[in-house]
Amino acid sequence: QQQVKQSPQSLIVQKGGISIINCAYENTAFDYFPWYQQFPGKGPALLIAIRPDVSEKKEGRFTISFNKSAKQFSLHIMDSQPGDSATYFCAASISFFGNEKLTFGTGTRLTIIP
Amino acid sequence: DAGVTQSPTHLIKTRGQHVTLRCSPISGHKSVSWYQQVLGQGPQFIFQYYEKEERGRGNFPDRFSARQFPNYSSELNVNALLLGDSALYLCASSLAGDRRDRESYGYTFGSGTRLTVV
Repeated sequence: QQQVKQSPQSLIVQKGGISIINCAYENTAFDYFPWYQQFPGKGPALLIAIRPDVSEKKEGRFTISFNKSAKQFSLHIMDSQPGDSATYFCAASISFFGNEKLTFGTGTRLTIIP
Repeated sequence: DAGVTQSPTHLIKTRGQHVTLRCSPISGHKSVSWYQQVLGQGPQFIFQYYEKEERGRGNFPDRFSARQFPNYSSELNVNALLLGDSALYLCASSLAGDRRDRESYGYTFGSGTRLTVV
């Protein structure tokens, strides 16, 4: 059972453009939604995260938009750069003190072309 | 500052063998989680340990086991290896404090151990 669905599987964007990756979840008990960036041979690195009581969060060129009623959230990368080329994973979790499990999407391979 | 360190970085094992993977969390982090990442897929949760106690277990067979030591480091053990166990095994650590603080600390992943079963 895939609880977090991610699209597209791959994405090619021109340098300077906006990269948009979408995720949808099923479990309304999820209360934490992070995005991770992964380069080949490395572990995922936390980019930005949001809680469901906030509709948008921005950190530098990265923005999460969250739609609780639609159970969807997305990552926007503004002014995309070649260094942003990586695989991006959305995730969701239900957490209480000392117990947390991240459920990941299937990933989006982003390529930024000059 | 040292991040999450995992050893070994690469490992080749034969079907039926046993393997032990090791993880040292960031200093001060009391929670360690293990994930399996098959090529081309997102990481799948295996275990979480907090203060040396198992706090969560994913949908993996009993061949998978783990433990956390008093210094908060952790081991993942896999018995009777199958070809399908070939994957990148990731360890993540966190402060695991109050849920309202999670935005500020999140999980930090190591670079993983690439296990190949032949």
